[in-house]
Amino acid sequence: DGGITQSPKYLFRKEGQNVTLSCEQNLNHDAMYWYRQDPGQGLRLIYYSQIVNDFQKGDIAEGYSVSREKKESFPLTVTSAQKNPTAFYLCASSTDHGGATQYFGPGTRLLVL
Amino acid sequence: GDSVTQMEGPVTLSEEAFLTINCTYTATGYPSLFWYVQYPGEGLQLLLKATKADDKGSNKGFEATYRKETTSFHLEKGSVQVSDSAVYFCALSDRNKFYFGSGTKLNVKP
Repeated sequence: DGGITQSPKYLFRKEGQNVTLSCEQNLNHDAMYWYRQDPGQGLRLIYYSQIVNDFQKGDIAEGYSVSREKKESFPLTVTSAQKNPTAFYLCASSTDHGGATQYFGPGTRLLVL
Repeated sequence: GDSVTQMEGPVTLSEEAFLTINCTYTATGYPSLFWYVQYPGEGLQLLLKATKADDKGSNKGFEATYRKETTSFHLEKGSVQVSDSAVYFCALSDRNKFYFGSGTKLNVKP
């Protein structure tokens, strides 16, 4: 079955630690996205990538970094510079960045110890 | 700039009641419109979409019509079930960007 997988489902971060969230898709989509969702709120765009080896900052990129070395993979690193990282992180992909339907993974919940 | 506005929740209904969740949008181009559903602890699932004015999207008993004259895309269902309890997001895509509403939580009681 084609789809988007995110791992882990839950992730705990200690103070000053960088953590990496995985996102993999086998839909052959060119574009991939990372969103942050806080309780009771909508989605905010962190980073997006239209094609391999290229990515762009979204609305709240500070304290986050990404890479896009393979078409299937778009990992997100939450760095120690992100002072309030506790949130639900959602990865999505679409055939292109021209407004095509976005399909979402199951999400990763990040908690700070 | 572009934006999506949804009615605030939570919306609480009894099973078999009629559902309407209002969504209005602002866009400078010719957007496509979407409804997504999110069940607790999960990602968003595409529920339905419409790509041009007067199109009707439908899925699993839910419907929404793209109304350009009123810039609206209201979600409706004739008879809700307990299993429809979730958060519903209205969204638009326009000029290579996606915009999401803040979500409306629906609680359906038996």
